[in-house]
Amino acid sequence: GDSVTQMEGPVTLSEEAFLTINCTYTATGYPSLFWYVQYPGEGLQLLLKATKADDKGSNKGFEATYRKETTSFHLEKGSVQVSDSAVYFCALTPNSGGYQKVTFGTGTKLQVIP
Amino acid sequence: GAVVSQHPSRVICKSGTSVKIECRSLDFQATTMFWYRQFPKQSLMLMATSNEGSKATYEQGVEKDKFLINHASLTLSTLTVTSAHPEDSSFYICSARVLGGAVGNEQFFGPGTRLTVL
Repeated sequence: GDSVTQMEGPVTLSEEAFLTINCTYTATGYPSLFWYVQYPGEGLQLLLKATKADDKGSNKGFEATYRKETTSFHLEKGSVQVSDSAVYFCALTPNSGGYQKVTFGTGTKLQVIP
Repeated sequence: GAVVSQHPSRVICKSGTSVKIECRSLDFQATTMFWYRQFPKQSLMLMATSNEGSKATYEQGVEKDKFLINHASLTLSTLTVTSAHPEDSSFYICSARVLGGAVGNEQFFGPGTRLTVL
C-alpha cells in the first residue's frame, strides 16, 4: 500500500536558519503530494502541493519539489521564523481511482527559537 | 477558498454519554467527507469515509456502532461517539473533498474537535 516516511523530530532551529524536512513516499502511479501544517491546538492547513513530477509547490517562503526519480518531496525554507513553529505533515493521495484516501506521514515537529 | 468548520471545538463529557460532532463545508458542496482521529504527538488516523446519502465506509479496526456517521447533505456530516469512555478522548478532525474536483484533488480540513471523556 501507499506510505509516507518523514524524518523524525523534533527539529530545533534558531531564527533565520535554513530548514529541510525530508519526505519520501511509496505509491503506485503518480500521486499528488502535499505538505500540511498544524499549529498547536488547531487542525491541519494545507501549506503547499504538487500534482505531477518536477512540479514545485511554494507558499509563505516554503518550497517542495516533486521528485519522481527519488520519490521525494522535501520541504525547505531559507529563513525560518518563530511563527513557523508547528508540526508539519507530508501526505499523498492517489491520482487514479475514485477513492481519495490521504496517506499521512507521522509528522515532524519544528521548534524555532529566537 | 474552501472552508470547513467543526462544532464544537471542545467538548467534555461524562463516561457513558454520547457526543455529536458536526462537520460543515461552508462555501462548497462535498460529496465525500472524511473523519480522522489524532492521538497526542501522532499522525492522523483515518476512521471512516462519509458519502452523502449512503453508508459510511469504516477503516479496519474502527467500530461502526460506536462511531456513528451520518452524511445527510452535501454540506454536513456528523460523527457521534456513542457511550463514550476515557479512551475515546482524542482530537477528531474532518475533511471534505470538493464536488466535481479532479482526481487527486486536495481535501480541506476542519479545525478539529477536542473530546475529553471524564
